[in-house]
Amino acid sequence: DQQVKQNSPSLSVQEGRISILNCDYTNSMFDYFLWYKKYPAEGPTFLISISSIKDKNEDGRFTVFLNKSAKHLSLHIVPSQPGDSAVYFCAAPRGAGSYQLTFGKGTKLSVIP
Amino acid sequence: NAGVTQTPKFQVLKTGQSMTLQCAQDMNHEYMSWYRQDPGMGLRLIHYSVGAGITDQGEVPNGYNVSRSTTEDFPLRLLSAAPSQTSVYFCASSLLAGGQETQYFGPGTRLLVL
Repeated sequence: DQQVKQNSPSLSVQEGRISILNCDYTNSMFDYFLWYKKYPAEGPTFLISISSIKDKNEDGRFTVFLNKSAKHLSLHIVPSQPGDSAVYFCAAPRGAGSYQLTFGKGTKLSVIP
Repeated sequence: NAGVTQTPKFQVLKTGQSMTLQCAQDMNHEYMSWYRQDPGMGLRLIHYSVGAGITDQGEVPNGYNVSRSTTEDFPLRLLSAAPSQTSVYFCASSLLAGGQETQYFGPGTRLLVL
């Protein structure tokens, strides 16, 4: 039973354009969400997070939007750069205060120069 | 400051063999965990620990053992390897400070069980 879902396995975007990566969740008790970025042959690295008390969080070119009523979040990258090409994972702690993360299957982003 | 380190980077085992995947962190993090990543799947939690002497099971613990004798080290043991354990294994660590702390991942160990 996958509680965090990323339904797009891959996404291709032209350099300079916006990349939008989507994530849906089923557990309404989730109160914190994270995005991790993973390059081949490396471990995931933390990118950005959002608490359920917010609907938006920005960090430079990266913005995460949260729509609690739809149980949906999205990661926007503007402008996209070739170095952003990686697999992006959406994740959530299994419960309030939990450190056990449940991950989506990931979306492979390719930014075309 | 090395962060989270994992050894070996790659290992080939025969079915039934045992081995230990090593994980160490130098950030004095209380929380450590092991995940496995399979093709087309997200990372799935195997075991975790909130401090020396304390471990617990995650989502997919069968076939794996862990122990935590020091804050720095959190080895993962495969007692009798099976082809289904072919995967990439990641160790992660974080502080314990009430939640929402960033978890730092190691570079991974790629395991092939024949």
